[in-house]
Amino acid sequence: DGGITQSPKYLFRKEGQNVTLSCEQNLNHDAMYWYRQDPGQGLRLIYYSQIVNDFQKGDIAEGYSVSREKKESFPLTVTSAQKNPTAFYLCASSKQGTSGTSSYEQYFGPGTRLTVT
Amino acid sequence: DQQVKQNSPSLSVQEGRISILNCDYTNSMFDYFLWYKKYPAEGPTFLISISSIKDKNEDGRFTVFLNKSAKHLSLHIVPSQPGDSAVYFCAAGSNYKLTFGKGTLLTVNP
Repeated sequence: DGGITQSPKYLFRKEGQNVTLSCEQNLNHDAMYWYRQDPGQGLRLIYYSQIVNDFQKGDIAEGYSVSREKKESFPLTVTSAQKNPTAFYLCASSKQGTSGTSSYEQYFGPGTRLTVT
Repeated sequence: DQQVKQNSPSLSVQEGRISILNCDYTNSMFDYFLWYKKYPAEGPTFLISISSIKDKNEDGRFTVFLNKSAKHLSLHIVPSQPGDSAVYFCAAGSNYKLTFGKGTLLTVNP
């Protein structure tokens, strides 16, 4: 059963601590994305990766870091430099990559709700 | 500056009637448009999409219309069902990235 998994569903951290959110996909998709959603807001792009070992900043990358060592995995680290880390974080993937075949249709994981106090 | 706008935060319709959700965009470089449906505390699920070279795409009860000159798209749901109650996000694509609107909460009353 193909899909995207994010763990854990809920995560609690103390202010000043870094935290890493997991995202794994078995859809064989090239591209992966991280978004955050705040109440009453749309999804805002944090980072994206079109191919292994390469990633780009999105619209709100400050205070976040990512890695893409494997095609299946795209973990997001929320650092202590992120001023408002409490949010709902969504990971997505799509077929699009650098092969020339692109697809804008992104498939989302179930999300991780991070609360920092 | 919001490039994708959903000006109606909420919409309420009766079961069986038509639901029309609207979306406006400002960036002429957008070449692909999508609608997603989202329940609370879950990830969005893809509904329907349309390329900028088309003006209509239909999939069952869902139809998306694109008016490029007005930079406007809409999602029609006919007939509306209570299970359609959710937040609907409009998204626009350019250069392999999506820009999302803030969403419209649709409530379908039995």
